[in-house]
Amino acid sequence: DVKVTQSSRYLVKRTGEKVFLECVQDMDHENMFWYRQDPGLGLRLIYFSYDVKMKEKGDIPEGYSVSREKKERFSLILESASTNQTSMYLCASSFGGLPEAFFGQGTRLTVV
Amino acid sequence: DQQVKQNSPSLSVQEGRISILNCDYTNSMFDYFLWYKKYPAEGPTFLISISSIKDKNEDGRFTVFLNKSAKHLSLHIVPSQPGDSAVYFCAASDRKLVFGQGTRLTINP
Repeated sequence: DVKVTQSSRYLVKRTGEKVFLECVQDMDHENMFWYRQDPGLGLRLIYFSYDVKMKEKGDIPEGYSVSREKKERFSLILESASTNQTSMYLCASSFGGLPEAFFGQGTRLTVV
Repeated sequence: DQQVKQNSPSLSVQEGRISILNCDYTNSMFDYFLWYKKYPAEGPTFLISISSIKDKNEDGRFTVFLNKSAKHLSLHIVPSQPGDSAVYFCAASDRKLVFGQGTRLTINP
């Protein structure tokens, strides 16, 4: 079974803090993605990566950055957390060229 | 600009009946369409997909229909069961997945 593991299920951070969300997959997938889910807005793509050390902006990259130093690990960084970044964050991975993505369990981030 | 739209935020169906969830898209370059199911506090799980060269794909109780001329797809669940109660997302692929807003399906006993 494919496993995508996110480092935290729940996180509470203060405004202005730098926040790291970690994601690890165990299936040697080339592609990795970060989404956020908000009520009524569905899943929106923040950043994605098709290979180690490469990254591309998704639809809502502002206020975020990412790091992919190893194939199995994709980190999302909130440079200076703000209350409008309170959300459910979902990491996903997929094989290159195949559409089906596998998701982690999600991280519920609250910024106070 | 929302490329994938699910216009019904919620749907309520009686157990044993058919559930039909709908999805519209705007980009004719999408090559695959997928449906995901999501329970609260969990990540989405893949349900069923369809290639843009097909018009129907079936897997057990789940069937996805694709109408390319109308840029519309639908997911049929028959018979509906209480465990089907969840939020359903449709997604379209252009190497990355673009998701709709989701439809909350409630199956009533």
